[in-house]
Amino acid sequence: AQKITQTQPGMFVQEKEAVTLDCTYDTSDQSYGLFWYKQPSSGEMIFLIYQGSYDEQNATEGRYSLNFQKARKSANLVISASQLGDSAMYFCAMREGLDSSYKLIFGSGTRLLVRP
Amino acid sequence: DGGITQSPKYLFRKEGQNVTLSCEQNLNHDAMYWYRQDPGQGLRLIYYSQIVNDFQKGDIAEGYSVSREKKESFPLIVTSAQKNPTAFYLCASSIATSGRYEQYFGPGTRLTVT
Repeated sequence: AQKITQTQPGMFVQEKEAVTLDCTYDTSDQSYGLFWYKQPSSGEMIFLIYQGSYDEQNATEGRYSLNFQKARKSANLVISASQLGDSAMYFCAMREGLDSSYKLIFGSGTRLLVRP
Repeated sequence: DGGITQSPKYLFRKEGQNVTLSCEQNLNHDAMYWYRQDPGQGLRLIYYSQIVNDFQKGDIAEGYSVSREKKESFPLIVTSAQKNPTAFYLCASSIATSGRYEQYFGPGTRLTVT
């Protein structure tokens, strides 16, 4: 079974509008972390935002916020006021448990295209 | 500036040859990782290392080898035993002190084997 599921292969959004990228996860651990990364066409992975499983408030970083619904095991990324430079692949990832290996499990990604 | 460097950016090899992908970091991070990315897909973990002189296999280690002789360096060898080596390879590092273990990535190496 997939640990991280991103059901939207591609998304369009109009410039200056908000967009939500979906991510659901599967884990039996109580302690885990959820990450979102952006991958522009250049290929480099850029860390955007982090949510810990014990964090009571949704994480926010500038125009990025994470809609964390623990009971539903979802960690959707919300980008407000989309810009043309937001066009990229977006990956959701999870770090499980208290194991010190720090391994991340990635989803298959969502390609976002921002229309002018 | 601190960061992760990978070289070269593009690499072309003939089938049957071993090839070494370089990864260097000056972030003083303890853990380093190698991922493979195929077109239209997410990242898959090849190998990772938490400390010098120690490393573990990831999900797709077959046909690859690594070494970690220095904290700053984590080279990946793509051997001739790797059946489909053409891919985009990303190196990453992380630090545990933040408690989050977010990984920071290099620019990647695009390997083409013909």
